[in-house]
Amino acid sequence: LAKTTQPISMDSYEGQEVNITCSHNNIATNDYITWYQQFPSQGPRFIIQGYKTKVTNEVASLFIPADRKSSTLSLPRVSLSDTAVYYCLVGRQTGRRALTFGSGTRLQVQP
Amino acid sequence: NAGVTQTPKFRILKIGQSMTLQCTQDMNHNYMYWYRQDPGMGLKLIYYSVGAGITDKGEVPNGYNVSRSTTEDFPLRLELAAPSQTSVYFCASSSRDESQPQHFGDGTRLSIL
Repeated sequence: LAKTTQPISMDSYEGQEVNITCSHNNIATNDYITWYQQFPSQGPRFIIQGYKTKVTNEVASLFIPADRKSSTLSLPRVSLSDTAVYYCLVGRQTGRRALTFGSGTRLQVQP
Repeated sequence: NAGVTQTPKFRILKIGQSMTLQCTQDMNHNYMYWYRQDPGMGLKLIYYSVGAGITDKGEVPNGYNVSRSTTEDFPLRLELAAPSQTSVYFCASSSRDESQPQHFGDGTRLSIL
């Protein structure tokens, strides 16, 4: 399974765009890139998933360069409610293999 | 739609006691998982299952057991509880479609004293 590296923590202010980058140098050809969000005392929640180029949904965008060795989660105009831990997972849930969570990036949004 | 339901939400155990954490999902998902999360840390996979009757160890299986007799249920058993097992436990499920994400329950906060 591809090992991922993300910043331990980030700070931002309300209304700013936040970009969290995840490095995954040994990503395999068929691996997906998936981001989860976790609030205190809750289970992680799926945000976005991609394979290549750019993916956008109602809450975030995911940018993946051509070499796929990194990815960037972009949160537009963050609010206080976006304060959470964000996890980057790389892999492919197939057969008897399971994905693993790292330590994540703790995002603190200030007023 | 209930999703993934975990019971109990909180529990305090004495050292050496045993208990079962319950997890059930109503999405007809093949894959189910148990994680533990220690304070300020990420999630560590304890056990997972790819279908009824099939289970596999994750990163930290020692001190735990699981079973998967039905698609819906995936209980986690703690035998001889130890203080090191104080943690928050999350159950999750996902479909056979490998592009689909995991859905998590709200967790069980367990303290061993």
